[in-house]
Amino acid sequence: DVKVTQSSRYLVKRTGEKVFLECVQDMDHENMFWYRQDPGLGLRLIYFSYDVKMKEKGDIPEGYSVSREKKERFSLILESASTNQTSMYLCASSLSGEITDTQYFGPGTRLTVL
Amino acid sequence: SQQGEEDPQALSIQEGENATMNCSYKTSINNLQWYRQNSGRGLVHLILIRSNEREKHSGRLRVTLDTSKKSSSLLITASRAADTASYFCATDARGGADGLTFGKGTHLIIQP
Repeated sequence: DVKVTQSSRYLVKRTGEKVFLECVQDMDHENMFWYRQDPGLGLRLIYFSYDVKMKEKGDIPEGYSVSREKKERFSLILESASTNQTSMYLCASSLSGEITDTQYFGPGTRLTVL
Repeated sequence: SQQGEEDPQALSIQEGENATMNCSYKTSINNLQWYRQNSGRGLVHLILIRSNEREKHSGRLRVTLDTSKKSSSLLITASRAADTASYFCATDARGGADGLTFGKGTHLIIQP
């Protein structure tokens, strides 16, 4: 079974702090994704990566950056956390390919910024 | 912007009944997927239907796709309490490996 793990289930940070959310997948997937999920807004794509050291902006990249130094790990960075970044963050991975792009999700990190 | 829009937003039925959820989308797709999310957890892939398919089954799940109407439906037969979850459709409007676009979901409650 594909396993996608996220470093924390719950996280509480203060405004202005630098926050790192880590995601690791164990299936040698090429693609990795970061989403945030908010009530009434559904899932929104923040960033994705299709290869090591490669990254692409999603729909809402402002205030975030990412790092993919190793194939299995994709980090989301909040350079200076703000209260409007309080959200559920979901990481996902998928095999490369046009048709078979089923995504496998981690359990999520619920981040609260005070 | 959201590609897929699920309907209804919320659905409550009795255990044993069938549940039907719909998804509409705006642009051409290669495939459409349905995911389930239990409260406070990550999403789990349920089924993928390709643009050249009209219907697909997996256990108690039946998915239809009408590309002319740009819509899909997910039917869960003989519902169980464990089916209580949010269900999302996702399309690959961005193209294969570039991520999926998710709808806002249908929250399904199965009453025992």
